[in-house]
Amino acid sequence: DADVTQTPRNRITKTGKRIMLECSQTKGHDRMYWYRQDPGLGLRLIYYSFDVKDINKGEISDGYSVSRQAQAKFSLSLESAIPNQTALYFCATSEGSLDTQYFGPGTRLTVL
Amino acid sequence: TQLLEQSPQFLSIQEGENLTVYCNSSSVFSSLQWYRQEPGEGPVLLVTVVTGGEVKKLKRLTFQFGDARKDSSLHITAAQPGDTGLYLCAGAMGGTYKYIFGTGTRLKVLA
Repeated sequence: DADVTQTPRNRITKTGKRIMLECSQTKGHDRMYWYRQDPGLGLRLIYYSFDVKDINKGEISDGYSVSRQAQAKFSLSLESAIPNQTALYFCATSEGSLDTQYFGPGTRLTVL
Repeated sequence: TQLLEQSPQFLSIQEGENLTVYCNSSSVFSSLQWYRQEPGEGPVLLVTVVTGGEVKKLKRLTFQFGDARKDSSLHITAAQPGDTGLYLCAGAMGGTYKYIFGTGTRLKVLA
Protein backbone atom coordinates (compact mmCIF):
# COMPACT_ATOMS: atom_id res chain seq x y z
CA ASP A 1 0.00 0.00 0.00
CA ALA A 2 1.13 3.53 -0.79
CA ASP A 3 2.37 5.61 2.13
CA VAL A 4 0.72 8.81 0.87
CA THR A 5 -2.61 8.54 -0.90
CA GLN A 6 -4.70 11.19 -2.58
CA THR A 7 -8.34 11.11 -3.58
CA PRO A 8 -9.69 11.63 -6.12
CA ARG A 9 -6.95 11.03 -8.71
CA ASN A 10 -8.84 12.92 -11.36
CA ARG A 11 -11.68 15.41 -11.10
CA ILE A 12 -13.51 17.57 -13.61
CA THR A 13 -15.77 20.25 -12.18
CA LYS A 14 -17.46 23.48 -13.14
CA THR A 15 -16.72 27.07 -12.21
CA GLY A 16 -18.21 28.00 -8.84
CA LYS A 17 -18.37 24.47 -7.43
CA ARG A 18 -16.84 23.58 -4.06
CA ILE A 19 -14.19 20.88 -4.30
CA MET A 20 -12.31 18.95 -1.64
CA LEU A 21 -9.12 17.03 -2.27
CA GLU A 22 -8.07 14.57 0.39
CA CYS A 23 -4.69 13.32 1.49
CA SER A 24 -3.93 10.46 3.88
CA GLN A 25 -0.58 9.14 5.06
CA THR A 26 0.56 6.07 6.94
CA LYS A 27 4.12 7.27 7.53
CA GLY A 28 3.37 8.83 10.91
CA HIS A 29 4.84 12.18 9.87
CA ASP A 30 3.82 15.41 11.53
CA ARG A 31 4.56 17.72 8.60
CA MET A 32 2.19 17.80 5.63
CA TYR A 33 2.05 20.02 2.55
CA TRP A 34 -0.19 20.86 -0.40
CA TYR A 35 1.40 21.95 -3.70
CA ARG A 36 0.08 22.71 -7.14
CA GLN A 37 2.05 22.02 -10.31
CA ASP A 38 1.64 23.95 -13.52
CA PRO A 39 3.73 23.50 -16.68
CA GLY A 40 6.87 25.61 -16.57
CA LEU A 41 6.29 26.72 -12.98
CA GLY A 42 7.45 23.74 -10.98
CA LEU A 43 5.62 23.12 -7.71
CA ARG A 44 4.19 25.98 -5.69
CA LEU A 45 3.30 25.68 -2.02
CA ILE A 46 -0.35 26.31 -1.17
CA TYR A 47 -0.54 25.44 2.55
CA TYR A 48 1.54 23.51 5.05
CA SER A 49 0.99 22.08 8.51
CA PHE A 50 3.66 21.07 11.00
CA ASP A 51 1.22 19.42 13.37
CA VAL A 52 -2.51 19.08 13.87
CA LYS A 53 -2.86 22.52 15.46
CA ASP A 54 -0.46 24.32 13.13
CA ILE A 55 -1.66 25.55 9.69
CA ASN A 56 0.32 28.00 7.57
CA LYS A 57 -0.23 29.74 4.26
CA GLY A 58 2.20 29.11 1.45
CA GLU A 59 3.01 31.14 -1.67
CA ILE A 60 -0.40 30.86 -3.32
CA SER A 61 -3.09 30.30 -0.67
CA ASP A 62 -5.73 32.67 -2.10
CA GLY A 63 -8.83 30.74 -3.16
CA TYR A 64 -7.87 27.68 -1.10
CA SER A 65 -8.43 26.47 2.45
CA VAL A 66 -7.23 23.42 4.35
CA SER A 67 -8.21 21.22 7.26
CA ARG A 68 -5.91 18.98 9.31
CA GLN A 69 -8.39 16.50 10.70
CA ALA A 70 -5.76 14.25 12.26
CA GLN A 71 -2.04 13.63 12.05
CA ALA A 72 -2.69 11.37 9.07
CA LYS A 73 -5.20 13.50 7.15
CA PHE A 74 -4.83 16.88 5.42
CA SER A 75 -7.57 18.12 3.10
CA LEU A 76 -7.49 20.95 0.57
CA SER A 77 -10.67 22.79 -0.40
CA LEU A 78 -11.49 25.10 -3.26
CA GLU A 79 -14.52 27.03 -2.00
CA SER A 80 -15.55 28.29 -5.42
CA ALA A 81 -13.46 26.76 -8.17
CA ILE A 82 -12.28 28.88 -11.10
CA PRO A 83 -10.64 27.79 -14.39
CA ASN A 84 -7.15 29.03 -13.46
CA GLN A 85 -7.15 26.52 -10.61
CA THR A 86 -6.90 23.79 -13.21
CA ALA A 87 -3.65 22.04 -12.27
CA LEU A 88 -2.01 18.95 -10.82
CA TYR A 89 -2.21 18.96 -7.01
CA PHE A 90 0.23 17.09 -4.78
CA CYS A 91 0.20 16.31 -1.12
CA ALA A 92 3.49 15.59 0.65
CA THR A 93 4.68 14.61 4.12
CA SER A 94 8.04 14.95 5.79
CA GLU A 95 9.91 14.56 9.04
CA GLY A 96 13.41 14.66 10.43
CA SER A 97 16.19 17.20 10.17
CA LEU A 98 16.95 16.40 6.52
CA ASP A 99 13.26 16.66 5.77
CA THR A 100 12.80 14.21 2.92
CA GLN A 101 9.41 14.95 1.39
CA TYR A 102 7.28 12.01 0.32
CA PHE A 103 4.74 12.88 -2.33
CA GLY A 104 1.40 11.37 -3.13
CA PRO A 105 0.50 10.39 -6.70
CA GLY A 106 -1.30 13.66 -7.38
CA THR A 107 -4.81 14.80 -8.26
CA ARG A 108 -5.45 16.18 -11.72
CA LEU A 109 -8.14 18.85 -11.36
CA THR A 110 -9.88 20.47 -14.32
CA VAL A 111 -12.22 23.41 -13.77
CA LEU A 112 -14.42 24.18 -16.76
CA THR B 1 7.73 35.19 -7.07
CA GLN B 2 9.87 32.34 -8.38
CA LEU B 3 13.14 32.32 -6.45
CA LEU B 4 14.73 29.27 -8.06
CA GLU B 5 15.50 29.20 -11.78
CA GLN B 6 16.51 25.98 -13.47
CA SER B 7 18.30 25.67 -16.78
CA PRO B 8 17.92 24.35 -19.30
CA GLN B 9 14.16 24.03 -19.26
CA PHE B 10 14.22 21.18 -21.78
CA LEU B 11 17.02 18.82 -22.78
CA SER B 12 17.00 16.02 -25.32
CA ILE B 13 20.19 13.99 -25.64
CA GLN B 14 21.45 10.67 -26.94
CA GLU B 15 22.20 7.73 -24.69
CA GLY B 16 25.76 7.88 -23.42
CA GLU B 17 26.10 11.66 -23.43
CA ASN B 18 26.84 13.72 -20.34
CA LEU B 19 24.72 16.64 -19.15
CA THR B 20 24.50 19.25 -16.43
CA VAL B 21 21.38 20.89 -15.02
CA TYR B 22 21.63 24.12 -13.07
CA CYS B 23 19.55 25.54 -10.25
CA ASN B 24 20.18 29.22 -9.46
CA SER B 25 18.88 31.76 -6.99
CA SER B 26 19.76 35.10 -5.45
CA SER B 27 18.64 33.73 -2.08
CA VAL B 28 20.62 31.67 0.39
CA PHE B 29 19.18 28.28 1.29
CA SER B 30 19.85 26.26 4.42
CA SER B 31 19.56 23.07 2.36
CA LEU B 32 18.72 22.08 -1.17
CA GLN B 33 17.09 18.97 -2.54
CA TRP B 34 16.89 17.40 -5.99
CA TYR B 35 13.86 15.37 -7.06
CA ARG B 36 12.97 13.38 -10.15
CA GLN B 37 9.39 13.10 -11.32
CA GLU B 38 8.00 10.67 -13.86
CA PRO B 39 4.67 11.11 -15.68
CA GLY B 40 1.65 10.34 -13.52
CA GLU B 41 3.67 10.24 -10.31
CA GLY B 42 4.80 12.55 -7.55
CA PRO B 43 8.42 13.72 -7.27
CA VAL B 44 10.89 11.34 -5.62
CA LEU B 45 13.85 12.63 -3.64
CA LEU B 46 17.31 11.98 -5.13
CA VAL B 47 19.54 13.87 -2.69
CA THR B 48 19.73 16.57 -0.01
CA VAL B 49 22.77 18.86 0.28
CA VAL B 50 23.25 21.08 3.30
CA THR B 51 26.84 22.40 3.33
CA GLY B 52 28.24 25.02 0.96
CA GLY B 53 30.56 23.34 -1.55
CA GLU B 54 29.21 19.89 -0.74
CA VAL B 55 29.39 17.26 -3.47
CA LYS B 56 27.32 14.09 -3.38
CA LYS B 57 27.34 11.21 -5.80
CA LEU B 58 24.53 8.79 -6.54
CA LYS B 59 25.83 6.27 -9.10
CA ARG B 60 26.13 8.28 -12.35
CA LEU B 61 24.61 11.43 -10.80
CA THR B 62 26.78 14.08 -9.14
CA PHE B 63 25.21 16.88 -7.14
CA GLN B 64 26.99 20.02 -5.99
CA PHE B 65 25.84 22.79 -3.66
CA GLY B 66 27.41 26.17 -4.35
CA ASP B 67 29.86 27.62 -1.86
CA ALA B 68 27.44 30.44 -1.03
CA ARG B 69 24.47 28.05 -0.85
CA LYS B 70 22.61 29.99 -3.55
CA ASP B 71 22.94 27.52 -6.40
CA SER B 72 23.34 23.87 -7.22
CA SER B 73 24.09 21.62 -10.16
CA LEU B 74 23.24 18.08 -11.17
CA HIS B 75 25.62 16.29 -13.54
CA ILE B 76 24.69 13.01 -15.19
CA THR B 77 27.41 10.90 -16.72
CA ALA B 78 26.63 8.54 -19.61
CA ALA B 79 22.91 9.22 -19.59
CA GLN B 80 20.53 6.32 -20.07
CA PRO B 81 16.90 6.24 -21.23
CA GLY B 82 15.91 5.44 -17.64
CA ASP B 83 17.14 8.90 -16.62
CA THR B 84 14.29 10.47 -18.60
CA GLY B 85 12.05 12.59 -16.41
CA LEU B 86 11.44 16.00 -14.86
CA TYR B 87 14.21 17.11 -12.51
CA LEU B 88 13.28 19.58 -9.79
CA CYS B 89 15.43 21.40 -7.28
CA ALA B 90 13.95 22.67 -4.02
CA GLY B 91 15.53 25.02 -1.49
CA ALA B 92 14.67 25.38 2.19
CA MET B 93 14.39 28.95 3.40
CA GLY B 94 16.15 30.05 6.56
CA GLY B 95 16.33 26.74 8.35
CA THR B 96 12.61 26.12 7.97
CA TYR B 97 10.91 23.05 6.62
CA LYS B 98 9.24 25.12 3.93
CA TYR B 99 10.60 24.49 0.45
CA ILE B 100 10.63 26.60 -2.71
CA PHE B 101 10.74 24.52 -5.88
CA GLY B 102 12.55 25.37 -9.07
CA THR B 103 10.92 25.62 -12.48
CA GLY B 104 12.07 22.13 -13.51
CA THR B 105 14.21 20.62 -16.25
CA ARG B 106 12.56 18.08 -18.51
CA LEU B 107 15.15 15.55 -19.70
CA LYS B 108 14.67 13.05 -22.49
CA VAL B 109 17.37 10.49 -23.21
CA LEU B 110 17.06 8.80 -26.57
CA ALA B 111 18.21 5.21 -27.08
